[in-house]
Amino acid sequence: AQSVTQLDSQVPVFEEAPVELRCNYSSSVSVYLFWYVQYPNQGLQLLLKYLSGSTLVESINGFEAEFNKSQTSFHLRKPSVHISDTAEYFCAVSDRMDSNYQLIWGAGTKLIIKP
Amino acid sequence: DTEVTQTPKHLVMGMTNKKSLKCEQHMGHRAMYWYKQKAKKPPELMFVYSYEKLSINESVPSRFSPECPNSSLLNLHLHALQPEDSALYLCASSQESTKQYFGPGTRLTVT
Repeated sequence: AQSVTQLDSQVPVFEEAPVELRCNYSSSVSVYLFWYVQYPNQGLQLLLKYLSGSTLVESINGFEAEFNKSQTSFHLRKPSVHISDTAEYFCAVSDRMDSNYQLIWGAGTKLIIKP
Repeated sequence: DTEVTQTPKHLVMGMTNKKSLKCEQHMGHRAMYWYKQKAKKPPELMFVYSYEKLSINESVPSRFSPECPNSSLLNLHLHALQPEDSALYLCASSQESTKQYFGPGTRLTVT
């Protein structure tokens, strides 16, 4: 069965510093990959997704993630973080063949921005 | 309209109460989901409806009863809940596997 690992439960980083949030999944066979963000006391928002094509995907607020098939990873990066990026970040995987479009979730990484 | 709405935003109920959570989407999505999310944890899938039929029930206790009256609406009926059921309940919808759209959630407190 598919599984998703986010090894870091918390990542503290200074404002304007770069950050990487790590995500690994168990199988590279026919999957879609997602990063969702959850701001304090809010629901989940899709940050970016990999479906096919270019292995580097970008969001409108400066985040990017790279699909690495050989390492079964989909790490999230941002070159310079802002205080407004403080949130919980979840990596998720979907099996392309799943007719119910279920998401398999990582445990989440809390991004803490230090001023 | 790419929005999933949920009501109420907050709900406090006693263990003997009966209440319902509501979810609505007007994107024509054929799959709708209920998730439960505890603090600092990822969402846990509870139910999936596909074409208004229950397709997945993740061994959820019977005190939670889902209902899909039509393709736009999804309800979650609550009865005789326990304090450990206090959580954020999220609804989502999807037309294909490339994205699930989430509502803002209902924060439920059981006293």
